[in-house]
Order: sequence, then C-alpha cells, then structure tokens
Amino acid sequence: RKEVEQDPGPFNVPEGATVAFNCTYSNSASQSFFWYRQDCRKEPKLLMSVYSSGNEDGRFTAQLNRASQYISLLIRDSKLSDSATYLCVVIRPGNTGKLIFGQGTTLQVKP
Amino acid sequence: DAGVTQSPTHLIKTRGQHVTLRCSPISGHKSVSWYQQVLGQGPQFIFQYYEKEERGRGNFPDRFSARQFPNYSSELNVNALLLGDSALYLCASSFSRAGSYNEQFFGPGTRLTVL
Repeated sequence: RKEVEQDPGPFNVPEGATVAFNCTYSNSASQSFFWYRQDCRKEPKLLMSVYSSGNEDGRFTAQLNRASQYISLLIRDSKLSDSATYLCVVIRPGNTGKLIFGQGTTLQVKP
Repeated sequence: DAGVTQSPTHLIKTRGQHVTLRCSPISGHKSVSWYQQVLGQGPQFIFQYYEKEERGRGNFPDRFSARQFPNYSSELNVNALLLGDSALYLCASSFSRAGSYNEQFFGPGTRLTVL
C-alpha cells in the first residue's frame, strides 16, 4: 500500500462546478500536509498548505482530518485554467526535506 | 530572479549507459532535493543534499548517486541505465533543511528516455 493515496481520476467537470479531491495517508506521525498543482509536462508548484483548522485561499479550501488520516481539497466555481493534476503531499517528522507525493488526481474543466 | 534551472531538458540514452543531470538552485538556497517522476505517478524522493552533504536518501538502488558543489549546485548520476529509469527527473531547492518545513521550489525537470 502506498503511503499517500489519491483517486487518479480523471475528474471531468463543467466550468462553474464545485469539485472535491480526497487523499489518505498511512503514517499517523505525518506532520505537514500540502496540495501541489502540476500542469501537463511542467513541474509541481505549491498550491496551498493544509492545516487542521482548515484553510481557504480564494476558490480553494483545504481540510485535514488527523483522526481519519484524510486530506481534502475543494475547488469552487471551476475555471478552465484549473485543469491540471493535483498532488497530495505529506512530510514525516524529522524529515522535512522529503516530500511524499500521492499519485495525483487529474482535473479537466470543460467549457 | 532566476528559479531552479536544470540541464539538459531532454535526454535519450540506451540501456547500460550512464547519465549526469545538473541542477542550479535558487540563489541563496542551500538545500537541493532530487525526485523521479514516472509517467502517471507522483514524484518519488531520491536524495536531499544540504551544505554539500547527503541528508536523506530514498529507496533507490546504488546505481543512483548525487553530489552537491560549494556553489550549492548539484548533479544526479545514474549508472547502468535500465528501461525503467525513463522518467522526468525533478530538482527542488529550499533555503534550509532543518526545523520547520521550507517550501521546495521545483525546476522544470530533465526528461530522460532510455531505449
């Protein structure tokens, strides 16, 4: 079993839709959590950090449930430009240089 | 300011050959990490270097090695290439390795094809 698991999708949604991605992690000691975005044939870029209290950045909301070892990303009012692969990332304590990535979830927003 | 740069952009090799990939971190960043991304998968951690010393190693065979230079640039070497080494190799730099998380900034990657 992989340490970080995501539904690979693809998720095909119309513009304006709300879409949610989920991610589970197996190491309960994981201490930091992130969502990265990767456009086709490009490098990953940090989208947002994920906190236990939940955090929002414009149309994007991230949630962390430590008890269930579950991370989510909600995108409201989807834009064509949101089409990308979204990667769930965790970091273990004492190993802040090693990002552990999920497989990624592909989102395609259609006009 | 320049971001993380990597060279070459693309590379085609045959099985058994050796390859060297290069990375220059963002100015002021002392930590460099290498990742391998196979098509359809998330990046997988290979190495982290900080202040010219290896600080972390992923689950990769000894055919993979790396080093960091005094100017903090880094090389990743892969010997005896296998078809399965075909991937996008990403370099990421961050300010430091210690304590709390420092955001890692990724370079555009080197796409390696092994025939």
